[in-house]
This record gives sequence, structure tokens and C-alpha cells, in this order.
Amino acid sequence: ETGVTQTPRHLVMGMTNKKSLKCEQHLGHNAMYWYKQSAKKPLELMFVYNFKEQTENNSVPSRFSPECPNSSHLFLHLHTLQPEDSALYLCASSPTSGRDQETQYFGPGTRLLVL
Amino acid sequence: TQLLEQSPQFLSIQEGENLTVYCNSSSVFSSLQWYRQEPGEGPVLLVTVVTGGEVKKLKRLTFQFGDARKDSSLHITAAQPGDTGLYLCAGARDYKLSFGAGTTVTVRA
Repeated sequence: ETGVTQTPRHLVMGMTNKKSLKCEQHLGHNAMYWYKQSAKKPLELMFVYNFKEQTENNSVPSRFSPECPNSSHLFLHLHTLQPEDSALYLCASSPTSGRDQETQYFGPGTRLLVL
Repeated sequence: TQLLEQSPQFLSIQEGENLTVYCNSSSVFSSLQWYRQEPGEGPVLLVTVVTGGEVKKLKRLTFQFGDARKDSSLHITAAQPGDTGLYLCAGARDYKLSFGAGTTVTVRA
């Protein structure tokens, strides 16, 4: 248990569906991240939020829409996805001060399959 | 071009043997993390190394950060089946992590 939870753990959706991924962290961190992990590729950073403000969008297609209502919650809204978007989506959080601020703690991920 | 290169990509050994995984880059990092990831789960942090030349031990795992803070290694002594997993290194610069592609380690009983 890393203190970061993600729901759902598995999701199957059609290309015309709209769904949302949820992440919650109980570590008191102020930075949250979305990553995409595809088979045989390094983790790809998608979005970064610091104190609820988006500070990084790593050229992610607009069919992925993040939302961060507070420092503990992060959402990823999905619509009109493509089969190549199938992957493990990971949420992470980190502190924004102190010697541990470069260390990220990950949730268990949501395994997404787009049909 | 990948910022961090991990080698080997795959490693299969017998229980009780030792193994070393390498993480190399031409870039300098302010810190470097090692994670282990099991199938269907997220990466779990093993260690963070910060100082060039630093060596950290975690039971049978030994982590070393290169003097120039560009590379790192993970050594496992007397590997056990429970050490099986995907080992990821991640270098930090400007509070962002760049990940290697990972080394898949299989320890056979």
C-alpha cells in the first residue's frame, strides 16, 4: 500500500465511450502526475499538477482531459479514444518541499483496453 | 532517443545467484530512484540516491550512484523468487523523472 489509490483497476471501453479515471493520494503531497505505460516502452509523463495547477502537458492529445479539484484528487477524463491508447495508466504523487521532493509514489494503475 | 538506458533488458537466473542491473545516461541527475513493478501493479519505490558515489543497502539489494551522477547500478545478492519483477530506474532533473525501459528479472526456484 503506497498511499495512492486508483479506480477503476480495469476498464474496457469502446471508441465512442466517455469514461473517467480517478486517483486519490493520502500522503499529504501537493504534486500529482499522470503517466502512460505501454508494453516495452518507458513510462511516458502525460500531465503534472502542482497545488491544483497544471504545470505540464506533455503534448497529450485532447481526447485525454485531466482535472485536479484539490491536491488529493486527480482525474483523467477519456473520450473518443483509439485502440492505441490501450495501456496501463499510472497516477503518482510527490511532496513539493524537503529532501524527498523528487521521489514519486505510484498508485496501482488502471489497465485500459480500447476496443 | 532514450535519456536513460537500462541493461540488460531481460535477466533470468537461478535462486541463490547474484545479479546486477545497470542504468546509464549521458545526463546528470540531481537524484535517481529505483522501482520494482509486478505485473498489473504500479511501480513501488525501492530507494532514492542523491549523492555522487553514494551506496545504499536494502537487505540483499545494494544500490550505487555513480560519482558523476549519470549512472547507477542495482546488485542483488542470493536472489530469491520473490525478487522477480520489472526493475525501473528513474533520473530526476528539475523535479521531473525520466524513466528507463526497465529490466525484467526472473528468479527460478
